[in-house]
Amino acid sequence: DAGVIQSPRHEVTEMGQEVTLRCKPISGHNSLFWYRQTMMRGLELLIYFNNNVPIDDSGMPEDRFSAKMPNASFSTLKIQPSEPRDSAVYFCASSFRGSPLHFGNGTRLTVT
Amino acid sequence: GENVEQHPSTLSVQEGDSAVIKCTYSDSASNYFPWYKQELGKRPQLIIDIRSNVGEKKDQRIAVTLNKTAKHFSLHITETQPEDSAVYFCAASIILEGGKLIFGQGTELSVKP
Repeated sequence: DAGVIQSPRHEVTEMGQEVTLRCKPISGHNSLFWYRQTMMRGLELLIYFNNNVPIDDSGMPEDRFSAKMPNASFSTLKIQPSEPRDSAVYFCASSFRGSPLHFGNGTRLTVT
Repeated sequence: GENVEQHPSTLSVQEGDSAVIKCTYSDSASNYFPWYKQELGKRPQLIIDIRSNVGEKKDQRIAVTLNKTAKHFSLHITETQPEDSAVYFCAASIILEGGKLIFGQGTELSVKP
């Protein structure tokens, strides 16, 4: 089991550019979560999916953020246009029917 | 929605002492309470969890207690070691909601040798 796989590990981009973060959940897991971690705000839940369907996106900060899960093994989080305040570590996590959440290694995003 | 408060934000102890981290939650429907440890530059990893039908759970040097009436739960680490130094997060969720976890702000634990 390779665990939750996120790419890229690091992303540096200029303000205004589009950023796409990718996640492959653990095979068989039916829930997928996107979290953002910053020093000021801690671990914030952005959006989560059950069986590929978005259930709660109330944590998505602005319309610049969007997330998709086209199938059970892939999800993307997109920021367009990116801003310096979006700089953070973005974690994807997955679980099965409320089992413990497993986190990926995260994507460290820096927007200059 | 659920809100989780965690205290203290930083904790420094001598090696061998005990450490206690406390959390409160707001949603009485929450029934699952995990604790995660995050080392610098790494992902959060589950160290112990407890469900609402249990008041206490222990795993070697780590224990968690839950008081559903007061809506608070605590992490206890005994005989601390330098490798316990990390940031610890508590969380709460309603299992039937697919495990949506709301995290506390984290506690940075430093164990001095």
